[in-house]
Amino acid sequence: DAGVIQSPRHEVTEMGQEVTLRCKPISGHDYLFWYRQTMMRGLELLIYFNNNVPIDDSGMPEDRFSAKMPNASFSTLKIQPSEPRDSAVYFCAVSAESMSRANVLTFGAGSRLTVL
Amino acid sequence: AQSVTQLGSHVSVSEGALVLLRCNYSSSVPPYLFWYVQYPNQGLQLLLKYTTGATLVKGINGFEAEFKKSETSFHLTKPSAHMSDAAEYFCAVSEGFNKFYFGSGTKLNVKP
Repeated sequence: DAGVIQSPRHEVTEMGQEVTLRCKPISGHDYLFWYRQTMMRGLELLIYFNNNVPIDDSGMPEDRFSAKMPNASFSTLKIQPSEPRDSAVYFCAVSAESMSRANVLTFGAGSRLTVL
Repeated sequence: AQSVTQLGSHVSVSEGALVLLRCNYSSSVPPYLFWYVQYPNQGLQLLLKYTTGATLVKGINGFEAEFKKSETSFHLTKPSAHMSDAAEYFCAVSEGFNKFYFGSGTKLNVKP
């Protein structure tokens, strides 16, 4: 398995532009998470899905952020309009339900976003 | 709510020296505990995890961690540091059901 695949790996855009980050999860992993990592705030959970359904989006910073998971093979995180303070590394991570409840997160390599 | 505290945002050791990265957590129920490592420009990778059973957990690359319930700690150790261990390390705690809480991370520098 190729693991969690994120694209683009790097994105530089100007304030006000729309940004779309993409994630292809590992097959059979029914939970998908979007995290944001910054120096100031560390790793923050933005939203997570179970079986393609959003379960908890309380970490989404504001209405400019939206996430979708139209099927088990694809998820997007969209920022519209983008602002310089959105500059961060965005990670997609997955986990699979297990009998022990001790699910392990598997991360993608991340998408580094710079908003000028 | 859960919280994870990693003491020391930066730790520097000499190659061959003991590595000790500290993690304390708060949890109202027996937790699941994890250490992840992040190399530059990469995602987080699982080093080791504690679920139940033996409190000393061995992970990859010679790392191990011990769960001490009385101290609410899960410190990460490695007897002899290698240059390739230079990375950022994150402690995480979960009560299950996919709610993970991460510490702020500790950057490990290994000096030749």
